[in-house]
Amino acid sequence: GDSVTQMEGPVTLSEEAFLTINCTYTATGYPSLFWYVQYPGEGLQLLLKATKADDKGSNKGFEATYRKETTSFHLEKGSVQVSDSAVYFCALSGAGGSEKLVFGKGTKLTVNP
Amino acid sequence: DVKVTQSSRYLVKRTGEKVFLECVQDMDHENMFWYRQDPGLGLRLIYFSYDVKMKEKGDIPEGYSVSREKKERFSLILESASTNQTSMYLCASRGPGVFEQPQHFGDGTRLSIL
Repeated sequence: GDSVTQMEGPVTLSEEAFLTINCTYTATGYPSLFWYVQYPGEGLQLLLKATKADDKGSNKGFEATYRKETTSFHLEKGSVQVSDSAVYFCALSGAGGSEKLVFGKGTKLTVNP
Repeated sequence: DVKVTQSSRYLVKRTGEKVFLECVQDMDHENMFWYRQDPGLGLRLIYFSYDVKMKEKGDIPEGYSVSREKKERFSLILESASTNQTSMYLCASRGPGVFEQPQHFGDGTRLSIL
């Protein structure tokens, strides 16, 4: 079945460090890909999305490129801040015509000052 | 911006009680979803609805039911609460038809069953 695999956390970085969170997927057809972020005690917020191959989603300094050849959607940020500390979820939808949003298990990021 | 509102942030109930979790969205979205989130298991889909009075089972519907009498409101019902239903419950909504539309989430209800 369809699935999303993210790198295991937790990830701990110092402020201004470079961030990469790896995400790969297995899906039928041509899914849309998303990154969501969950701050402590809150629900999930959409961070960025890409709907077709080679699309780049970007928001708040975060970027991810939809790579069909490697079935990947890695999240990157050039310089993280303490306020970026959260749990990040990679997700896909539309695989095989399904309504379902399939999530990875999440990667917890802690940024220290 | 889309607003998805869940009626309670924290809820404590007893085993065997009938529990209602309410969710309201303000964007006239056709599609609404209920998930539960557990450490190590991530988010799992319980039920979703693509129109008023329509519902579809997700991955873990056992022990739950749902109600969608009005477009803006989607209720999750625990018929007879059990301790293994202690979890964070998240509601989401999504706009019409196409899958590239993202789902928009509420802040969640942390439910404890004693």
